[in-house]
Amino acid sequence: DTGVSQNPRHKITKRGQNVTFRCDPISEHNRLYWYRQTLGQGPEFLTYFQNEAQLEKSRLLSDRFSAERPKGSFSTLEIQRTEQGDSAMYLCASSLDSRDPFFGQGTRLTVV
Amino acid sequence: GQSLEQPSEVTAVEGAIVQINCTYQTSGFYGLSWYQQHDGGAPTFLSYNALDGLEETGRFSSFLSRSDSYGYLLLQELQMKDSASYFCAVRDPGRDYKLSFGAGTTVTVRA
Repeated sequence: DTGVSQNPRHKITKRGQNVTFRCDPISEHNRLYWYRQTLGQGPEFLTYFQNEAQLEKSRLLSDRFSAERPKGSFSTLEIQRTEQGDSAMYLCASSLDSRDPFFGQGTRLTVV
Repeated sequence: GQSLEQPSEVTAVEGAIVQINCTYQTSGFYGLSWYQQHDGGAPTFLSYNALDGLEETGRFSSFLSRSDSYGYLLLQELQMKDSASYFCAVRDPGRDYKLSFGAGTTVTVRA
């Protein structure tokens, strides 16, 4: 296992379009997280899955955002009707229980 | 909510020692973590302190004082590859799955 994998690495989209990102966690990890990071800031928590159950969504995650983790394996994060303010790095992380998470390299989204 | 403060930038020469301070304000405390992130890379876990004192891992050490709500990351024998951003982070009380990060300290190592 080579760690947490995210695809695509970069995405440029026009405002108003929908985008979907994928995250493949470390296989034995039961927890999966999505964070967002903007330039010069630390990652900000978006949402958390325990196996396939989404247990918390941050207030940062508007109704245009949806995340899934079917079968408790990979996860997808979809943003509908993208806005320029959505431009950021979207980081996925996974962990075994409450141990410190391992992060993927992220998907850099640019909304033009 | 959680609030963490750390310096925005530090510059040092190869072989030097750098200390990155982190002060935090939390409604509860479950330990202080440190992450390293190279430009364009993934945040990588470095260390975790739940109790007061110094934890040493090779050239990097991390210290915690819970009574002062303060910790630091010590980078020794600096190498060019240590040029990166370093983030301190705390967990939300009662929600051990959620990390709150500081804004990060950019360390630049010069020859």
